[in-house]
Amino acid sequence: DAGVIQSPRHEVTEMGQEVTLRCKPISGHDYLFWYRQTMMRGLELLIYFNNNVPIDDSGMPEDRFSAKMPNASFSTLKIQPSEPRDSAVYFCASSHVTGTGNYGYTFGSGTRLTVV
Amino acid sequence: QKEVEQDPGPLSVPEGAIVSLNCTYSNSAFQYFMWYRQYSRKGPELLMYTYSSGNKEDGRFTAQVDKSSKYISLFIRDSQPSDSATYLCAMRGSWKTSYDKVIFGPGTSLSVIP
Repeated sequence: DAGVIQSPRHEVTEMGQEVTLRCKPISGHDYLFWYRQTMMRGLELLIYFNNNVPIDDSGMPEDRFSAKMPNASFSTLKIQPSEPRDSAVYFCASSHVTGTGNYGYTFGSGTRLTVV
Repeated sequence: QKEVEQDPGPLSVPEGAIVSLNCTYSNSAFQYFMWYRQYSRKGPELLMYTYSSGNKEDGRFTAQVDKSSKYISLFIRDSQPSDSATYLCAMRGSWKTSYDKVIFGPGTSLSVIP
């Protein structure tokens, strides 16, 4: 199993540009999460999906952020237009609820976004 | 008050020391408690998982949950330089309710000095 795959690993873009982050969850996992991590705010949940359906997007900071999950094996997080304060590491994670209720998340390696 | 609080450190200990990492929380609905380890420039990885109160041991790691005090701990025995990382506590409510989200603490940075 290749784990959760995120791309790109690093992204440097100019303010105002559109940025698209991509995630391939672990096959069979029915939950997908997008997190943002900064030194100041730690790990923040932006949005999560269950069976490809967005369940809670209350963490999405502004209308500039949008996320989609067109199928069980792919999700995108888009920022348009990007701003310097969006600079952070963005993590995708997936999980599956086991019969015991254990569902630790498996995180990808993250996308380090820098908006200049 | 934040839902989950954790001393950010940094915590620096000599190799072989016993390390104690702690979190407090405010939501009594939390029932599942986890510890994640995050190496520099990597994603967090699940280290320990416990349900409700009690202790759980896995090798050099012991997780403790005291729901009455809303306090969880992670102990690392015989700490190694390879344990140097940021440790995040995490917790959530019952999977049978609509409260599915895992809430993470801010993390404690640990350095184990050879």
